[in-house]
Amino acid sequence: QSVLTQPPSVSAAPGQKVTISCSGSSSNIGNNYVSWYQQLPGTAPKLLIYDNNKRPSGIPDRFSGSKSGTSATLGIAGLQTGDEADYYCGTWDSSLTTGVVFGGGTKLTVL
Amino acid sequence: QVQLVQSGSELKKPGASVKVSCKASGYTFTSYAMNWVRQAPGQGLEWMGWINTNTGNPTYAQAFTGRFVFSLDTSVSTAYLQITSLKAEDTAVYYCAKEMAVAASPDYWGQGTLVTVSS
Repeated sequence: QSVLTQPPSVSAAPGQKVTISCSGSSSNIGNNYVSWYQQLPGTAPKLLIYDNNKRPSGIPDRFSGSKSGTSATLGIAGLQTGDEADYYCGTWDSSLTTGVVFGGGTKLTVL
Repeated sequence: QVQLVQSGSELKKPGASVKVSCKASGYTFTSYAMNWVRQAPGQGLEWMGWINTNTGNPTYAQAFTGRFVFSLDTSVSTAYLQITSLKAEDTAVYYCAKEMAVAASPDYWGQGTLVTVSS
């Protein structure tokens, strides 16, 4: 059971836009920055979004992030078959069990 | 550019120990903590804890106390994860991941090390 809640799967057609939600609480998302990671099959996670809505160098602007209260959202526009991957949200949790927390992951299928 | 290069896959018997290394380059090793993350087969990411690369002080997540040890060799910019008394349920890919900032999730990740525990 992950601290952050994500939908197990989402799907959309090439060229469409998809959003992935990440729900938490005041001890994590509510008071800390959210990151998003892309994990292609058989590879390590890669940072897509940090500080809620910033993109590292080299990440296309098709990827966007937002946060409101205790929830965050990853948006992927202009879907490509190469976007098929698992996506994870992550943040810091300031509760008694202080540390990094991740969502359970969302499998994106590009139909 | 930042790189984290981990040691290769390991096959161990139950009860044995394993030590995974993570060599960092492209940044000042002692300026950022190193996280360790476990991913069991077909499962999500699980944060194991982190080690302060300046002081060597480790912090373990609740599920990873006792058999898991984080250590450093700052002379070669390398972090280590040792797991003792291995169990079948320790079979997983283990990642090192560099701290992005204080109280933040990681930015750069190693390529992962598969540890398989089987008799």
